[in-house]
Amino acid sequence: QKEVEQDPGPLSVPEGAIVSLNCTYSNSAFQYFMWYRQYSRKGPELLMYTYSSGNKEDGRFTAQVDKSSKYISLFIRDSQPSDSATYLCAMIPDFSGGYNKLIFGAGTRLAVHP
Amino acid sequence: EPEVTQTPSHQVTQMGQEVILRCVPISNHLYFYWYRQILGQKVEFLVSFYNNEISEKSEIFDDQFSVERPDGSNFTLKIRSTKLEDSAMYFCASRTTIRADTQYFGPGTRLTVL
Repeated sequence: QKEVEQDPGPLSVPEGAIVSLNCTYSNSAFQYFMWYRQYSRKGPELLMYTYSSGNKEDGRFTAQVDKSSKYISLFIRDSQPSDSATYLCAMIPDFSGGYNKLIFGAGTRLAVHP
Repeated sequence: EPEVTQTPSHQVTQMGQEVILRCVPISNHLYFYWYRQILGQKVEFLVSFYNNEISEKSEIFDDQFSVERPDGSNFTLKIRSTKLEDSAMYFCASRTTIRADTQYFGPGTRLTVL
């Protein structure tokens, strides 16, 4: 079983739609959860991070973590064509090691069409 | 806004040749990372570097790979004898001591091994 599973898509939605992106993970040692956005041939850009179960909102973006189900989500409201990108979930195991390598999902390619 | 920079943006090399990929992390960051992304695959951790030594490395980071911080600003990844399967995007990332969850990525170097 892969440590982090993410449906690669592609996901195509009309402008204005609510987008739901998801990842599941197998290792309960993951404590920190991030969402990165990656435009074609660019480096990942951090969108949101969260440490605990529950919701975190930032503008049109909401990150949700359910540690009991080992499931995280990113919701994008009022999606725009400029949101078209690949969205990567990433996780960090607990901080005992201190150096915090990121474990990434495969990424979901999102296309928002006008 | 400060950013991680990487050079070159694209490197083409012959199999068996040595390559050096260069990164300039954000100036007050102390933790440095290399990741790679083979086309169509997930971003994978290679190595983390702190206090002038490797703190963690993945199985991918074998004896053909090395990292160095030759001066106060640059962070390099050397591949001694490139293989076809080393063809990938290589991303450098850095972070502060305080914000362990936030790694800033550079734009990447596309390495093509012929």
